[in-house]
Amino acid sequence: QKEVEQDPGPLSVPEGAIVSLNCTYSNSAFQYFMWYRQYSRKGPELLMYTYSSGNKEDGRFTAQVDKSSKYISLFIRDSQPSDSATYLCAMINGGSNYKLTFGKGTLLTVNP
Amino acid sequence: DGGITQSPKYLFRKEGQNVTLSCEQNLNHDAMYWYRQDPGQGLRLIYYSQIVNDFQKGDIAEGYSVSREKKESFPLTVTSAQKNPTAFYLCASSTSGYQPQHFGDGTRLSIL
Repeated sequence: QKEVEQDPGPLSVPEGAIVSLNCTYSNSAFQYFMWYRQYSRKGPELLMYTYSSGNKEDGRFTAQVDKSSKYISLFIRDSQPSDSATYLCAMINGGSNYKLTFGKGTLLTVNP
Repeated sequence: DGGITQSPKYLFRKEGQNVTLSCEQNLNHDAMYWYRQDPGQGLRLIYYSQIVNDFQKGDIAEGYSVSREKKESFPLTVTSAQKNPTAFYLCASSTSGYQPQHFGDGTRLSIL
């Protein structure tokens, strides 16, 4: 079983839709959780960072962490064509030497 | 503007040749990282450095070498021993282990 599993997509939605992106993980030592957005031919850009179970909101983005079930989600409200990108979940093992473990990414297309 | 600068954006390697990818950051971050990104495989850690003059192997260090002589700089050399070097290489930095990593815009390396 891979440490981090992410729905690969691709995911295609109409503009204005609510998007849900998900990752599950198997290692209960993961304590810090991030979501990155990556446009084509660019580096990943940090969207959300959280370390506790529950919801964290930032504008149109909400990150959700459920440590008991070992899954994290990113919700995008009122999606825009500019949200079209690959979304990567990432986690840090609290006991490791800073190693960041990534999901493989979900490609999202928001159609105008 | 603070950030991470990777150069060149595109690089071509001949058989038997070593090439060096540059990574410079002006964020005053202690930790720096190199990742390789291949289609469908996500990001894999090559090397990381938590402090000047010290670095550790990541998951796929074979065929690569690094140095960390200055806090701001963490160059990666892809040696001729790396038989499949074609990939997108990403450099990242963070203030400390449990803080999120910030990425440069990558170098795309191809074989001539």
